[in-house]
Amino acid sequence: EPEVTQTPSHQVTQMGQEVILRCVPISNHLYFYWYRQILGQKVEFLVSFYNNEISEKSEIFDDQFSVERPDGSNFTLKIRSTKLEDSAMYFCASSEERGSRQPQHFGDGTRLSIL
Amino acid sequence: GNSVTQMEGPVTLSEEAFLTINCTYTATGYPSLFWYVQYPGEGLQLLLKATKADDKGSNKGFEATYRKETTSFHLEKGSVQVSDSAVYFCALSDRLTGGGNKLTFGTGTQLKVEL
Repeated sequence: EPEVTQTPSHQVTQMGQEVILRCVPISNHLYFYWYRQILGQKVEFLVSFYNNEISEKSEIFDDQFSVERPDGSNFTLKIRSTKLEDSAMYFCASSEERGSRQPQHFGDGTRLSIL
Repeated sequence: GNSVTQMEGPVTLSEEAFLTINCTYTATGYPSLFWYVQYPGEGLQLLLKATKADDKGSNKGFEATYRKETTSFHLEKGSVQVSDSAVYFCALSDRLTGGGNKLTFGTGTQLKVEL
């Protein structure tokens, strides 16, 4: 069964450094998402992406965050200047079609630790 | 805004016991409802879904019925196994204006099944 893959599985970065989290969505999917889960808290929506642009972003997704689909397969989340509070598990997801009935398929996540 | 409330965990059961994990939601529109499961060290996997009132989603012996009148989507299984030990997330899906959807998650309920 096709799956969403994320790399790396664990990223350790110094505060203030830039970090790029990578995702390869399922190949025929059109909608892409990032979520994060701070330890012990809910999984939170960050951003959705379709047709090479952001469809919606949450208030968490401020100017230090950006997303990009640099080629036909990768989908990246960049954090420009990391803060301690960015430490979390980041999940990439994709869905095949538009509409709220479509399930999102998640990767295994990248655990980001900011020192 | 939309929200999902799940029963607090952890829930500890003996093998072959009956499982219920309660989930209620608040939504402005007419959302789709999902249960995701997260096994230790893995990402979120779609367990089942329901897209309209009175729909029953089912998979791997788990069931949940979309109850619009009580705004609930409780997860049930008649006989749990040790291998069902995981964290279970209830989620609702809102359609975005850009055509994708956004998942709002509950806090997750950890299930531990013992021999």
